[in-house]
Amino acid sequence: EDQVTQSPEALRLQEGESSSLNCSYTVSGLRGLFWYRQDPGKGPEFLFTLYSAGEEKEKERLKATLTKKESFLHITAPKPEDSATYLCAVRGSGNTGKLIFGQGTTLQVKP
Amino acid sequence: DTAVSQTPKYLVTQMGNDKSIKCEQNLGHDTMYWYKQDSKKFLKIMFSYNNKELIINETVPNRFSPKSPDKAHLNLHINSLELGDSAVYFCASSQAAADTQYFGPGTRLTVL
Repeated sequence: EDQVTQSPEALRLQEGESSSLNCSYTVSGLRGLFWYRQDPGKGPEFLFTLYSAGEEKEKERLKATLTKKESFLHITAPKPEDSATYLCAVRGSGNTGKLIFGQGTTLQVKP
Repeated sequence: DTAVSQTPKYLVTQMGNDKSIKCEQNLGHDTMYWYKQDSKKFLKIMFSYNNKELIINETVPNRFSPKSPDKAHLNLHINSLELGDSAVYFCASSQAAADTQYFGPGTRLTVL
C-alpha cells in the first residue's frame, strides 16, 4: 500500500537557521512526488514536483531533493513568512491522478 | 481571478441535515477532485472526475455524492450529516489526471 510519512511533525527555527524537512515514501511506481505549502485557513499551495531520484528543484529559500525512498525540503536562512505547514504527497502507478499525502510538518520561524 | 473557488467557506449544521458544497475552477482543467482534511491536517482523496466521468471513488459512505454538471464544476452533496463528517473539505483541479493539482480555499464543515 502506498504510504507517506513526514518528519518532524513540528519544527521551530530561529530566523536564519537553516534546516530540512523529511518525506519518506513507499509507492508502487512513483509518478511524481509533490510538495505543497499550507497556511492556516487556506488551501494547499503547490511548490514543487519531482519525478526521479537525483532530481532537485529550487524556489527562493526552498530546495527539494528526491531519492528512491525519500524527499527532503531544505530551507535556507528561513524568514518568519516561511512559517506554514508543508505537505508531501506521492502519485503512484495508474492514471487516476490519486495523491497520497503525508501528515505534514508545521514549521514556525521566529524572528 | 480566483482559480479554484468553493462555497460556502464555513458551514455549520445539525446532525441529520443534508448539505452541499460547490466548487468551480476557471483554469480550463479537465479533472477535479474532492479531498477531506481531518483535525490532524491529514488530507485524503474522496472523489475525482475527469470530463464529467467519475474516475476515483474512494471508500467513503454512500451519504457522500459528487456531481459534475460540467468540467468546470464539481459539487459535493452530503446526506444525513454525522458528527464525524466535521472536517475541512478541499476541491482541487488539474489539467489532466497526471498533472499538478491546484487546490481551492476549503470549506470548513461543522456538524453539531
